[in-house]
Amino acid sequence: KNQVEQSPQSLIILEGKNCTLQCNYTVSPFSNLRWYKQDTGRGPVSLTIMTFSENTKSNGRYTATLDADTKQSSLHITASQLSDSASYICVVIPYGNNRLAFGKGNQVVVIP
Amino acid sequence: EPEVTQTPSHQVTQMGQEVILRCVPISNHLYFYWYRQILGQKVEFLVSFYNNEISEKSEIFDDQFSVERPDGSNFTLKIRSTKLEDSAMYFCASSLGQAHTEAFFGQGTRLTVV
Repeated sequence: KNQVEQSPQSLIILEGKNCTLQCNYTVSPFSNLRWYKQDTGRGPVSLTIMTFSENTKSNGRYTATLDADTKQSSLHITASQLSDSASYICVVIPYGNNRLAFGKGNQVVVIP
Repeated sequence: EPEVTQTPSHQVTQMGQEVILRCVPISNHLYFYWYRQILGQKVEFLVSFYNNEISEKSEIFDDQFSVERPDGSNFTLKIRSTKLEDSAMYFCASSLGQAHTEAFFGQGTRLTVV
């Protein structure tokens, strides 16, 4: 069964600080790995998409990394803002099918 | 910017009733999906739809569920006889190509079965 595990489950950080979210997966082989941001009560919004051959991808203050050997990915948020408060979801797409395998998400709360 | 739209945003229904959740995918997209998220849990895949037929479905998507693209713009999810455990947020998504391309999600329909 495909699995995507994320840590920490929740995180509180001060505005302006950096944080790193972790994703471990067992999906293999996979075609790409994505990080989504989900605000409370809203649909997920794509932040980054990386194929299995990519190591890093940036989108503004968000930087995702991927180590396909250890099956780990991280999402780094730089200079956090209050609007970064959300759930950040790691999603892995298995090779050969259309199912997105979702992690439970990292709940980030940014406080002033 | 094109977006996936879902209606209604919130639906309350009695157990045993049929509900239809509606979605308008992005107009040039070819692949359509339904996902659900039970409160406090992760998003779960239900079904994918391409070329007017189901291409994949999960174990959750049993005979109670059906999908349809009735008129070339709407994409609907029908639950025939709702159960309490069907209460969840239902997300529609669409993509231009298969899952290796980016899927865009709607804002979701919160279904509450009482």
